[in-house]
Amino acid sequence: AQSVTQLDSQVPVFEEAPVELRCNYSSSVSVYLFWYVQYPNQGLQLLLKYLSGSTLVESINGFEAEFNKSQTSFHLRKPSVHISDTAEYFCAVSAVNTGNQFYFGTGTSLTVIP
Amino acid sequence: NAGVMQNPRHLVRRRGQEARLRCSPMKGHSHVYWYRQLPEEGLKFMVYLQKENIIDESGMPKERFSAEFPKEGPSILRIQQVVRGDSAAYFCASSPGAGATEAFFGQGTRLTVV
Repeated sequence: AQSVTQLDSQVPVFEEAPVELRCNYSSSVSVYLFWYVQYPNQGLQLLLKYLSGSTLVESINGFEAEFNKSQTSFHLRKPSVHISDTAEYFCAVSAVNTGNQFYFGTGTSLTVIP
Repeated sequence: NAGVMQNPRHLVRRRGQEARLRCSPMKGHSHVYWYRQLPEEGLKFMVYLQKENIIDESGMPKERFSAEFPKEGPSILRIQQVVRGDSAAYFCASSPGAGATEAFFGQGTRLTVV
């Protein structure tokens, strides 16, 4: 089985500052990696995912994440955050080719301070 | 193509009543996952189902909770004799199955037990 650890439960950051949300995973097989975002009172939406190829993946709203196999990490970064980025962020993993189960971290609450 | 549909969005039950939460997966998806989200506790896996089969129910409480995904119709998460501690947001996700590269989430059902 796989597991995900999100080390930071809450991250406050000032508007226009950079941010990094950390995610580490554990797996004995190759994995797909995901970041989901949840805005208040809504469901989860896919932000970005790593399947294969380039280890750096980007979202349409300026977030990026880098798959680091040696460190088993998939940290999420944004160089300059906006108020609208305030949300809960979840890292998730599933096994390649048998990806029938998605394992989620406990989430990181990002609060952007004006 | 409609997304994952959950209903009701909000459900209020008195202690001891039964709660039925429904989830219609995306068209063509045969795999359904249920998660529970409690304040400050992140997203907890409950159960993973394929049509007419429970694949993994390791996150489901042993008593009062059950889930099904019949050949026809939505997936149902049933909570019998609800207690205050069952108050939470319950999310359903679906995927097309083996080798899935994304899980799609519904908007959730917010259960309040009074």
